[in-house]
Amino acid sequence: GAGVSQTPSNKVTEKGKYVELRCDPISGHTALYWYRQSLGQGPEFLIYFQGTGAADDSGLPNDRFFAVRPEGSVSTLKIQRTERGDSAVYLCASSPRVGESPYNEQFFGPGTRLTVL
Amino acid sequence: KQEVTQIPAALSVPEGENLVLNCSFTDSAIYNLQWFRQDPGKGLTSLLLIQSSQREQTSGRLNASLDKSSGRSTLYIAASQPGDSATYLCAVRTGANNLFFGTGTRLTVIP
Repeated sequence: GAGVSQTPSNKVTEKGKYVELRCDPISGHTALYWYRQSLGQGPEFLIYFQGTGAADDSGLPNDRFFAVRPEGSVSTLKIQRTERGDSAVYLCASSPRVGESPYNEQFFGPGTRLTVL
Repeated sequence: KQEVTQIPAALSVPEGENLVLNCSFTDSAIYNLQWFRQDPGKGLTSLLLIQSSQREQTSGRLNASLDKSSGRSTLYIAASQPGDSATYLCAVRTGANNLFFGTGTRLTVIP
């Protein structure tokens, strides 16, 4: 079946604007994760959903960042009043089961490259 | 907080050579460790996942080992090919559900 998809693939915006980034997980996957990857760095965790609820949002850098997953499938990462430091690749991943099973492999999408001018 | 380190940061080898990439982590209480490949401008492709109870996993020319007590993992690539050129990322999963990533090793295989 199809993998994790993310739209748009690229987003250029001006400082202070609002952006939304979308993630479509693999069908049937109950867990969904957002990560942010700055240039030359490894991805850093932002938020994790089990079903519709955010089970762990400890990685969100500040209150300008928010994510939703209203029906337990598609998720949207929302960034208000964007700053130049928000420029990065935003990666989404999904895994098939909830809980802390060590067998919960995460499958990643291609990412959205956000550039804030 | 878990910290993951990968060395070297970059590696260049001639085609056909065998090579080893290193990953170390500070907290040995992990659930599993994954090795990923990332091509420029692309997402992450999972290569191997080692459970905390396992010592190694193999897939084709790739072999990953895990020494949880010392906080180390290695990714061995046999008979390297130009198509292996990419950035290789190591990530560990702890009690939380998220992954902690290293900064990667950028591999170039010269034809």
